[in-house]
Amino acid sequence: AQKVTQAQTEISVVEKEDVTLDCVYETRDTTYYLFWYKQPPSGELVFLIRRNSFDEQNEISGRYSWNFQKSTSSFNFTITASQVVDSAVYFCALNNFNKFYFGSGTKLNVKP
Amino acid sequence: NAGVTQTPKFRILKIGQSMTLQCTQDMNHNYMYWYRQDPGMGLKLIYYSVGAGITDKGEVPNGYNVSRSTTEDFPLRLELAAPSQTSVYFCASSWDLGAPADEQFFGPGTRLTVL
Repeated sequence: AQKVTQAQTEISVVEKEDVTLDCVYETRDTTYYLFWYKQPPSGELVFLIRRNSFDEQNEISGRYSWNFQKSTSSFNFTITASQVVDSAVYFCALNNFNKFYFGSGTKLNVKP
Repeated sequence: NAGVTQTPKFRILKIGQSMTLQCTQDMNHNYMYWYRQDPGMGLKLIYYSVGAGITDKGEVPNGYNVSRSTTEDFPLRLELAAPSQTSVYFCASSWDLGAPADEQFFGPGTRLTVL
């Protein structure tokens, strides 16, 4: 069975703090893809990153970084020096064989 | 290039009514998807399509039907609407998952209430 768990329902931080959003996934397949999406209050879904199961290199994009560890089935997302505009719900998702499985999301509140 | 468009944006249905949610993409994507997002929850896949004429069930297909007669359009049909189908519905499309820069492009969503 495929499953994505985002145990943190809601996180509140003060601007400029670093924050890590956790994502743990379950799959028996060896080939799969992992994604992070952002859903701001306006409701649209914004793609952030995609990783395939054979690429465990960590990635940094500006203030965003991702840590993929197959050994612990985790794909965590860190925002460095958070900003108020980062306030949103963040979803982690797993895809294999064309089917996407989303976690329940983590709501991030960044306060000024 | 409009991306993925969905109509209507909002709709209120009475129990037992039927309706079709429209989804169109102009990016010539092969893959299209329908999701529902219940309040405070993640997205659940209803149906998906890997090309014109080919559709398959996702996690929560009951109460819905889809068709894919063209590459551009992927309508979702609700028959006999029930309160449990109150949700926000998102349509998405992508080339496929093998492309290096691939991602899913989402439409703006349709907020459906069944009373």
